Amino acid sequence: DGGITQSPKYLFRKEGQNVTLSCEQNLNHDAMYWYRQDPGQGLRLIYYSQIVNDFQKGDIAEGYSVSREKKESFPLTVTSAQKNPTAFYLCASRDWGGTDTQYFGPGTRLTVL
Amino acid sequence: AQTVTQSQPEMSVQEAETVTLSCTYDTSESDYYLFWYKQPPSRQMILVIRQEAYKQQNATENRFSVNFQKAAKSFSLKISDSQLGDAAMYFCAYRPSNTGNQFYFGTGTSLTVIP
Repeated sequence: DGGITQSPKYLFRKEGQNVTLSCEQNLNHDAMYWYRQDPGQGLRLIYYSQIVNDFQKGDIAEGYSVSREKKESFPLTVTSAQKNPTAFYLCASRDWGGTDTQYFGPGTRLTVL
Repeated sequence: AQTVTQSQPEMSVQEAETVTLSCTYDTSESDYYLFWYKQPPSRQMILVIRQEAYKQQNATENRFSVNFQKAAKSFSLKISDSQLGDAAMYFCAYRPSNTGNQFYFGTGTSLTVIP
């Protein structure tokens, strides 16, 4: 089945640690996105990537980093510089040139202990 | 600035009845896409319906339809014959066709379906 997978579903981190969230898609989409979701704030864009080896900062990129070495994969690292990382993180890919629609993974809930 | 506003944080509807969720957006673009996404308690974001701004005809997907008013920059979602499974957060989203790659989301409307 085609789709987007995110792992792990739940992640716990101690303060001061970096942690990497995985996002993989087999939809053959060029563009991929990372969002953060907090209660009452909708989705806020962290980073997006249009093609391999290229990515752009979104509205709240500080304290996060990404890589895009393969079309299928777009991992997000939450660094110790992110002051309030506890949130729900959603990865998406976009059917660029087709329906131009975003499709989402199931999300990762990150909790800082 | 491109913003999306959902002015109804919470809505409720009786099962089998009809409910309309509101969305307005601010843009200077003439060509763009509009979306409604559903986020049930599982938190998986699911596409409900999509509208292209250049199309005057309102999009429809089974029990879901939109009322797209381009001049008013309004994009409301109508759910007919509401079912218990429709209970979720609903997010309106906008994407300009020609400038950038970002999608802009509203803050969501929480829909409760009353049996």
